[in-house]
Amino acid sequence: QQQVKQSPQSLIVQKGGISIINCAYENTAFDYFPWYQQFPGKGPALLIAIRPDVSEKKEGRFTISFNKSAKQFSLHIMDSQPGDSATYFCAATSMDSSYKLIFGSGTRLLVRP
Amino acid sequence: DAGVIQSPRHEVTEMGQEVTLRCKPISGHDYLFWYRQTMMRGLELLIYFNNNVPIDDSGMPEDRFSAKMPNASFSTLKIQPSEPRDSAVYFCASSLRRGTEQFFGPGTRLTVL
Repeated sequence: QQQVKQSPQSLIVQKGGISIINCAYENTAFDYFPWYQQFPGKGPALLIAIRPDVSEKKEGRFTISFNKSAKQFSLHIMDSQPGDSATYFCAATSMDSSYKLIFGSGTRLLVRP
Repeated sequence: DAGVIQSPRHEVTEMGQEVTLRCKPISGHDYLFWYRQTMMRGLELLIYFNNNVPIDDSGMPEDRFSAKMPNASFSTLKIQPSEPRDSAVYFCASSLRRGTEQFFGPGTRLTVL
């Protein structure tokens, strides 16, 4: 019940295209859903996060869509750029779990020029 | 601020040796987390501290692993004795308060031969 399932495992997108990464969870107590971006040789860095009281959050080219009833959330990267090539992790946590992050398995995104 | 600092960045050791990984969190952050990242298991939380006190070590895989935080600016993760299956990238992260953004260090890539 503590798992966060992420798909796809890898994704190749042309420059200017839309990248979509999906995550699903089971624990209805989760109340904070961040996305982290990780470049090779670096630690993950927070990209964008959402709480379940809203269905969408947008920051620049990055948007999180959240479906509470389906227990799913997704990251959309509009106008994808080669510099977006990285591994993306969704995560979930809750006050019940003292806000320990449960990470998805990661999606390796490659944006072709 | 220089961010979370980890040392060494790379460590190669032989099975049976003691390994000590070091972390300096961001000044003023009350929470410190140790994670392990592998291809097979992804990002796993090993242990976290609040105000230098270990709060949850349920992710520590075995008694061979131990972590300390003697003061607010320093933490260690020790593996004794090390085994080849401990080979992974170990990340330290810190956050200002519970439930806030976690800032990750660059990681220590550990290889146990």
